[in-house]
Amino acid sequence: DAGVIQSPRHEVTEMGQEVTLRCKPISGHNSLFWYRQTMMRGLELLIYFNNNVPIDDSGMPEDRFSAKMPNASFSTLKIQPSEPRDSAVYFCASSLGTGWDTEAFFGQGTRLTVV
Amino acid sequence: AQKVTQAQTEISVVEKEDVTLDCVYETRDTTYYLFWYKQPPSGELVFLIRRNSFDEQNEISGRYSWNFQKSTSSFNFTITASQVVDSAVYFCALGSGNTGKLIFGQGTTLQVKP
Repeated sequence: DAGVIQSPRHEVTEMGQEVTLRCKPISGHNSLFWYRQTMMRGLELLIYFNNNVPIDDSGMPEDRFSAKMPNASFSTLKIQPSEPRDSAVYFCASSLGTGWDTEAFFGQGTRLTVV
Repeated sequence: AQKVTQAQTEISVVEKEDVTLDCVYETRDTTYYLFWYKQPPSGELVFLIRRNSFDEQNEISGRYSWNFQKSTSSFNFTITASQVVDSAVYFCALGSGNTGKLIFGQGTTLQVKP
C-alpha cells in the first residue's frame, strides 16, 4: 500500500483565498484524522472521522475550517477564507479501528503558507 | 486533564552515545495507550511504538528501548549507540478515551553529530 496520501505537498496562497487540502487514507482503514502542526501549538487534532462520519470536531479552530469525508477513500479539509495564522503543516492520518490497539499512520503533510 | 510533557526541547549527542528522551503523561483514564513517533527532517511522522496501560513490560527493538513506569507516569525512550540518522524530532503521545484523539507532547529535537 502507498500509505496515506496527501495533496498538495506545499500550498502558498493569499489571505482571503479558499484552500482545500486532500487526503487519501490507507485502503481498509476506517478512522481518519486531521492534525495541524505549528511551532507555537505543536501537533493538535482538528477533527476525527470514523466510517466517514465526523466523531470529534472540537479541535477545529473556527467556522472558517470545514472537513468532509464523502467516502472511505477521500477526505478534504477546507479553509475559507484563509488567514496568515493558518500557516502550518497539516497532517492526515488513518487507522484500522477506533480503539487504541491500532496505530495511526500519517501522511507526509501539506505545508500551507498564507501570505 | 490529559497532558504529555517532554521537558527536553533539544538534545545534542555525539555519534555512538546513548541518549534517553523523557516523556511524562497525565490522564485520569485507567485504560490508555502511549506512543512514540519520529519526525525526520523530511517531515513525515513515523510510528515507533505503542504500549497499553496494562503492559508495563519494557520493550527493546534493536537500538531502541522503552521504559514504561506507571508509578511515575513516564514512558521514556532510549537510543543506544546513536547514529546520525537518528537525528529527528521525537514525539511522545497519549491516546485515551473513545474519541480517537492523540495528545502529543511538544517534541524533543535530537541532533546526533558525527
